Amino acid sequence: NAGVMQNPRHLVRRRGQEARLRCSPVKGHSHVYWYRQLPEEGLKFMVYLQKENIIDESGMPKERFSAEFPKEGPSILRIQQVVRGDSAAYFCASSPPGRWGTDTQYFGPGTRLTVL
Amino acid sequence: DAKTTQPPSMDCAEGRAANLPCNHSTISGNEYVYWYRQIHSQGPQYIIHGLKNNETNEMASLIITEDRKSSTLILPHATLRDTAVYYCIVRSPDDKIIFGKGTRLHILP
Repeated sequence: NAGVMQNPRHLVRRRGQEARLRCSPVKGHSHVYWYRQLPEEGLKFMVYLQKENIIDESGMPKERFSAEFPKEGPSILRIQQVVRGDSAAYFCASSPPGRWGTDTQYFGPGTRLTVL
Repeated sequence: DAKTTQPPSMDCAEGRAANLPCNHSTISGNEYVYWYRQIHSQGPQYIIHGLKNNETNEMASLIITEDRKSSTLILPHATLRDTAVYYCIVRSPDDKIIFGKGTRLHILP
């Protein structure tokens, strides 16, 4: 990991509550990506953001999930009215300005969400 | 769907070179080959990437065949800390990262 910070590292919520996951990218990186990893499965792309813009949200569930990357502060992945199926590890990655294909993404340690 | 095919698991003796294969027979001209690994419960770690030339860094070497349809990641002297799931990824500048199931590498003492 090259400095991507995620908090909290572990989050427990009851069904119906809201979960907020935070990601601070590597200093100087303006691109943020969120991925979800269900137990015993690979990582699945969710959303790609640049400062104040959502570039690609093709992997986001249509309901209850939203993401933002404001001009100031961390990127936030918000899950409303959580259900047990939302239990997973959520990873954030960041990359410097530039084109996707040549920009290495650096991942954070993840937030493990458990929904009771 | 992932554009790569990897063996589900491999074993390697500690101190020996670990050679992890990856098939990407449908790779197109502007797509790069990336390798990441995920040590248990941690975030994925970038290892190396390349377009068509072989690449080497402090962690590993990447050998890409001339036709670019396959590649091999080489860890020259594997240690127990290299036990992880290794992901081979093919992506273009306009594409997202799609992780497949990867290869689970076991380093044997």
